[in-house]
Amino acid sequence: GQNIDQPTEMTATEGAIVQINCTYQTSGFNGLFWYQQHAGEAPTFLSYNVLDGLEEKGRFSSFLSRSKGYSYLLLKELQMKDSASYLCAVKDSNYQLIWGAGTKLIIKP
Amino acid sequence: EAQVTQNPRYLITVTGKKLTVTCSQNMNHEYMSWYRQDPGLGLRQIYYSMNVEVTDKGDVPEGYKVSRKEKRNFPLILESPSPNQTSLYFCASSFASGANVLTFGAGSRLTVL
Repeated sequence: GQNIDQPTEMTATEGAIVQINCTYQTSGFNGLFWYQQHAGEAPTFLSYNVLDGLEEKGRFSSFLSRSKGYSYLLLKELQMKDSASYLCAVKDSNYQLIWGAGTKLIIKP
Repeated sequence: EAQVTQNPRYLITVTGKKLTVTCSQNMNHEYMSWYRQDPGLGLRQIYYSMNVEVTDKGDVPEGYKVSRKEKRNFPLILESPSPNQTSLYFCASSFASGANVLTFGAGSRLTVL
């Protein structure tokens, strides 16, 4: 079966760095997405990786290793507004999105 | 403003009373999809549509119907709602089902008593 694993919850301190991991087992691979979702709100797009390596976008970076079925989202200089759930999703061979259950990130002052 | 609009945002209903959740997008997107989100389970796809008059089942289609008569609209129909359909529902759209980013509606919180 297809599976996306990410930690259920993480806690970090304001101003620090946090890495949220995502491992996947899917039938084919056509890209990996990270979305941010604040409580009770819609998910919003953060990043997309289809080739191995690191994609940097301001305070957020996303890394992909296709051979290991692994990605991480790196958040630097954490701010209180970064408290949210972070969703990892993979497009399979049929271009259907397989979603992880999300990682709830709690930022403490 | 480019957006996906869902209505109603909140609804409390009773078992067996048919309801429709509307979804409309103004971005001329071909691909539209419905998800439900439950605690600890993440987003699960109910139905999706690649274009007008083309719809397909997702992972959890039982108890739901959809239609795509126009490109901009993709309503979700619950013919006979049951308590296990209590959930947060999201409509989303993109230009195509490939590598394109999904734009989500604000969500519809449904409670079935």
